[in-house]
Amino acid sequence: SQQGEEDPQALSIQEGENATMNCSYKTSINNLQWYRQNSGRGLVHLILIRSNEREKHSGRLRVTLDTSKKSSSLLITASRAADTASYFCATVKETSGSRLTFGEGTQLTVNP
Amino acid sequence: EAGVAQSPRYKIIEKRQSVAFWCNPISGHATLYWYQQILGQGPKLLIQFQNNGVVDDSQLPKDRFSAERLKGVDSTLKIQPAKLEDSAVYLCASSPSFRGGGYTFGSGTRLTVV
Repeated sequence: SQQGEEDPQALSIQEGENATMNCSYKTSINNLQWYRQNSGRGLVHLILIRSNEREKHSGRLRVTLDTSKKSSSLLITASRAADTASYFCATVKETSGSRLTFGEGTQLTVNP
Repeated sequence: EAGVAQSPRYKIIEKRQSVAFWCNPISGHATLYWYQQILGQGPKLLIQFQNNGVVDDSQLPKDRFSAERLKGVDSTLKIQPAKLEDSAVYLCASSPSFRGGGYTFGSGTRLTVV
């Protein structure tokens, strides 16, 4: 069963706008990770947030984690056309060793 | 550092044929994963190796899929016989330790079964 569920499934914005994607999960986690996948390519690791952290930043990316609500959000500020891709959240459960369980992803389109 | 290498990049086979995929992880990465990604879905773990031992193969369809990681480095994933529903991208990933941070993924092998 899928651990993470992303919302929205698809998002279309203009260049320069901010993009926010949300992820919900079901069980307690050790950490949560966000990945980007360009069409026809492999996944690229963006950021990892541990269960005892609430917010992390990396460049134009900001990730928040609310373990009480079992949810996370990924904010991309000042979006660019090159940010067009699918974005996946993935969780490592507390009890599953290091297995990453992915959601179905959000397809982000940034229009120039 | 060199990334995770996978081959072939694309493969088209007929149903009931067999196929094998190869993965070379990042040097020194102890943990290796094979994921299956069906079009429009998120990747699903098939098997996880720690060095040359299997840690998790609970979602591997063992009647037709097999994988090995000899000497704890390269890995191969085999499907025999293939079914139409096996059409997917097969992704290999590696990480430096059991719960070590983000994974590095290869570009994947796109399998089409006709």
